[in-house]
Amino acid sequence: AQSVTQLDSQVPVFEEAPVELRCNYSSSVSVYLFWYVQYPNQGLQLLLKYLSGSTLVKGINGFEAEFNKSQTSFHLRKPSVHISDTAEYFCAVSETGNQFYFGTGTSLTVIP
Amino acid sequence: GAVVSQHPSRVICKSGTSVKIECRSLDFQATTMFWYRQFPKQSLMLMATSNEGSKATYEQGVEKDKFLINHASLTLSTLTVTSAHPEDSSFYICSATRAEETQYFGPGTRLLVL
Repeated sequence: AQSVTQLDSQVPVFEEAPVELRCNYSSSVSVYLFWYVQYPNQGLQLLLKYLSGSTLVKGINGFEAEFNKSQTSFHLRKPSVHISDTAEYFCAVSETGNQFYFGTGTSLTVIP
Repeated sequence: GAVVSQHPSRVICKSGTSVKIECRSLDFQATTMFWYRQFPKQSLMLMATSNEGSKATYEQGVEKDKFLINHASLTLSTLTVTSAHPEDSSFYICSATRAEETQYFGPGTRLLVL
């Protein structure tokens, strides 16, 4: 069975500071990994995904994530955040590309 | 990128009535569509998986007679909440996949049952 753990439910960070949102997963097979962002009262927008190949994945809005198989992690990072990055971030894992399992989300608040 | 729409974006209904929510893939044919439910400040919970032309597969604990899913074409899936009650109030989100292994999400439908 698959599961996703987002260790931090809330992350406050000052504007222009770096941020890392943590995601760990458990699975007995190879997986696809995703990060989605959700703005208030909206659906989810894909930030980036890891399917195969290079373990460092670059996404939209300056975000990147690194797949670490040995640590079963897929942490999301951004070197300098903006006010507009304030949102809920969800990590998701899938074995087949069909059924997704989501973490509980991390609320990122960027402080001016 | 792929675009998925939902209609309506918000709906308020009386207890006991039924509500239909539409999910459309606007610029691609979706082999599979998914329906999620999200409670305030919580993650998405998968309700069911829907393939065009076949019956939906419901997750454990989801009442298939209460949440009717129809996937009549490769671009449209509908979720009908039958005899809605206040506890059904939630944010319902659909997603769709095409050939690649990525789900594209709709903007969500906020349902409030009075």
